[in-house]
Amino acid sequence: NAGVTQTPKFQVLKTGQSMTLQCAQDMNHEYMSWYRQDPGMGLRLIHYSVGAGITDQGEVPNGYNVSRSTTEDFPLRLLSAAPSQTSVYFCASSLLQGGETQYFGPGTRLLVL
Amino acid sequence: TQLLEQSPQFLSIQEGENLTVYCNSSSVFSSLQWYRQEPGEGPVLLVTVVTGGEVKKLKRLTFQFGDARKDSSLHITAAQPGDTGLYLCAGLASGSARQLTFGSGTQLTVLP
Repeated sequence: NAGVTQTPKFQVLKTGQSMTLQCAQDMNHEYMSWYRQDPGMGLRLIHYSVGAGITDQGEVPNGYNVSRSTTEDFPLRLLSAAPSQTSVYFCASSLLQGGETQYFGPGTRLLVL
Repeated sequence: TQLLEQSPQFLSIQEGENLTVYCNSSSVFSSLQWYRQEPGEGPVLLVTVVTGGEVKKLKRLTFQFGDARKDSSLHITAAQPGDTGLYLCAGLASGSARQLTFGSGTQLTVLP
């Protein structure tokens, strides 16, 4: 199993550009989520999904969109990038029932100029 | 919004010393998790504590969940350079699916 994979690893954007951060898992996990990690602030939940076709907002959803068309994939879209979105983004997945462990991807480091 | 306050934010100690990291909240959590994160990687789960007063040991690491399930601590005995990393606590609220609230983290450096 590859676990949770994220692409790209690094990205530089100009203000106003859009892009999609990819996340995929091969563990048949129902639950997937996106976090951003900023210095001194831990990880903050952006969006999450409990299954294909179901998504919901987390703590900091503004400026981000998600969709869940398959169990495996959970892309995060930045509609119009802003410098405040410079961060490291992590995708995570877990089982819903009996699955206490969340598995994190390696992260995408994003710089918005 | 539930908050988790983690202290200290930074900790630099010599090999062989003991240390304790604290995670405190005014909210009750159904469970509390501790993660460790290496540079350039995602967090990796160390332990989950569920019952108030629960103590779990993982080799030289001891984790405790407060009786009221509002706080937790991580104690490392005889720290080694390999323990260096960012330690994060995360709480799972009752009724939530798997949404975690993370503390701000403790950056631990163990010097040889």
